[in-house]
Amino acid sequence: EAGVAQSPRYKIIEKRQSVAFWCNPISGHATLYWYQQILGQGPKLLIQFQNNGVVDDSQLPKDRFSAERLKGVDSTLKIQPAKLEDSAVYLCASSLGGVGETQYFGPGTRLLVL
Amino acid sequence: GEDVEQSLFLSVREGDSSVINCTYTDSSSTYLYWYKQEPGAGLQLLTYIFSNMDMKQDQRLTVLLNKKDKHLSLRIADTQTGDSAIYFCAERSDYKLSFGAGTTVTVRA
Repeated sequence: EAGVAQSPRYKIIEKRQSVAFWCNPISGHATLYWYQQILGQGPKLLIQFQNNGVVDDSQLPKDRFSAERLKGVDSTLKIQPAKLEDSAVYLCASSLGGVGETQYFGPGTRLLVL
Repeated sequence: GEDVEQSLFLSVREGDSSVINCTYTDSSSTYLYWYKQEPGAGLQLLTYIFSNMDMKQDQRLTVLLNKKDKHLSLRIADTQTGDSAIYFCAERSDYKLSFGAGTTVTVRA
């Protein structure tokens, strides 16, 4: 089966610019996650969707980050405006749903903010 | 608390066994996972263990869980150059995964 798809793979922007990332989860997976992985650290959960509803966005910096999953399938994560400290890899993951379900990760989008 | 700690680096000779250790703090963790990340790639699920188990073996991989000490380990038998990567330990409480900072494993000839 196809894995989690993400695009773009790499993005370089200047601070204060906007950027958007796209994720297509594994077919049939109800739950979608966005993680931020700063160099040298483990991934940190930003937001979790169950179908098109938000389950947890407690770690999402809502003044500049937003995410949506309008039809319960694909998702976009946006940063507006970007700061230098947003430089990281943004990982999307999906799972079938429910407690205990294993998460499968995409290849990530590597963002560099100059 | 959701702290997960791992040693940062491990160097191992090809053909030897590797042991990567992890400690966690959340006693309500239901599942514990090991993920592998190669350069420029996402996280690949290697194996996981349910919290009521103390051992799980899957080909060259052996996971040991000491729930009393909140200690998890991953043993890779007959380590190969393709095993060079960053290995992340993660604990799951409810629906949330908390990751350690990763252990960079370098396999030398």
